[in-house]
Amino acid sequence: EVQLVQSGAEVKKPGESLKISCKGSGYSFTSYWIGWVRQMPGKGLEWMGIIYPGDSDTRYSPSFQGQVTISADKSISTAYLQWSSLKASDTAMYYCVRRLDGYDYSAFDYWGQGTLVTVSS
Amino acid sequence: QSVLTQPPSVSEAPRQRVTISCSGSSSNIGNNAVDWYQQLPGKAPKLLIYYDDLLPSGVSDRFSGSKSGTSASLAISGLQSEDEADYYCAAWDDRLNGVVFGGGTKLTVL
Repeated sequence: EVQLVQSGAEVKKPGESLKISCKGSGYSFTSYWIGWVRQMPGKGLEWMGIIYPGDSDTRYSPSFQGQVTISADKSISTAYLQWSSLKASDTAMYYCVRRLDGYDYSAFDYWGQGTLVTVSS
Repeated sequence: QSVLTQPPSVSEAPRQRVTISCSGSSSNIGNNAVDWYQQLPGKAPKLLIYYDDLLPSGVSDRFSGSKSGTSASLAISGLQSEDEADYYCAAWDDRLNGVVFGGGTKLTVL
């Protein structure tokens, strides 16, 4: 059974750093792109970026380039999303997603349960 | 303002059929596959339709997708109360070089 299991909720202060994780299981982790999607409170979905764990090829949405870092450790089948200096506006639910194999670049067939990040002073 | 435009809300009675539209441009819907997601309250989104009109395994055939030019639609027939959710369309955008989502449509089953 394919699963993406994310790390737990975080409460941080502005300016702090943070790294959240997403562990894949039940499939070949290095053969599928893993992405991140943000959902701010009461708002819609926003694509942040994506990584191919097989070779660490990483792409970012222009809106998030330079704001976050996406990485992966294929030895433990885990992808990461990190911030070096959080802002209150980073408060959101973050989902990791697996991209369907093929040419449909917006088809995410498996989603993690979400990690709620709250940034408040 | 989302790149893909969806109506904020739609409503229909049980057992009826409803459609949700998604309007884009030549750089996204007009040139790439469209996908649809269902997000039940408090849950992670779920892939409902991919490659414009394909159903993932396990998704009810009451759901169907279509595309024409730079617009796409999701149709839900035989509406049930458990279909109440937010629905999002998505596509790759060649100009932005990334995935774009619609703003989401809240479906209410009256």
